[in-house]
Amino acid sequence: KQEVTQIPAALSVPEGENLVLNCSFTDSAIYNLQWFRQDPGKGLTSLLLIQSSQREQTSGRLNASLDKSSGRSTLYIAASQPGDSATYLCAVRHYNYGQNFVFGPGTRLSVLP
Amino acid sequence: EPEVTQTPSHQVTQMGQEVILRCVPISNHLYFYWYRQILGQKVEFLVSFYNNEISEKSEIFDDQFSVERPDGSNFTLKIRSTKLEDSAMYFCASLAGLTKNIQYFGAGTRLSVL
Repeated sequence: KQEVTQIPAALSVPEGENLVLNCSFTDSAIYNLQWFRQDPGKGLTSLLLIQSSQREQTSGRLNASLDKSSGRSTLYIAASQPGDSATYLCAVRHYNYGQNFVFGPGTRLSVLP
Repeated sequence: EPEVTQTPSHQVTQMGQEVILRCVPISNHLYFYWYRQILGQKVEFLVSFYNNEISEKSEIFDDQFSVERPDGSNFTLKIRSTKLEDSAMYFCASLAGLTKNIQYFGAGTRLSVL
């Protein structure tokens, strides 16, 4: 059974800092991995999708990497801003019928002005 | 940017009542999903739907739950007799096809069972 963990559970940084969020998964037979952002009480906003054959994806100040063999992904946020404050979730999809996501518990990020 | 629409945004119901949560997936998408998130917990998969039938369901999705695509555009989740522990945020998602990889999520319906 796939398990997804994220560390740290919470992170507080001053504005302008670069930071890294970590995601680990137990079964490397994934189809892809997606990073989401969730604001309190809100839905899920897709940030980056990495296919199993890819090593990284970039969008603006965000960079996500994937090391499938070791079961790890990182989300790098450059020059953090208070507007980046949210919970960041990673989720993996398997090579199974239906291809639903298995989500991690999230990292709650606070960027202080 | 295409989007998945969910209604209502917040549903309050009494324990034992039936509720129907509604979703309009992105048109021309073929795969549909329901997830839920109990406050403070992980997002959990409930069910996936393809070609007018359930393709996969989790152990959470018991006989109290059902899904339907009644008219080719809406995708509904019905809870027959709500329990207190059904209180959660419910997310709908859709996927164009297995080679189109981004699963788009709706904004969610917050279900409060009193």
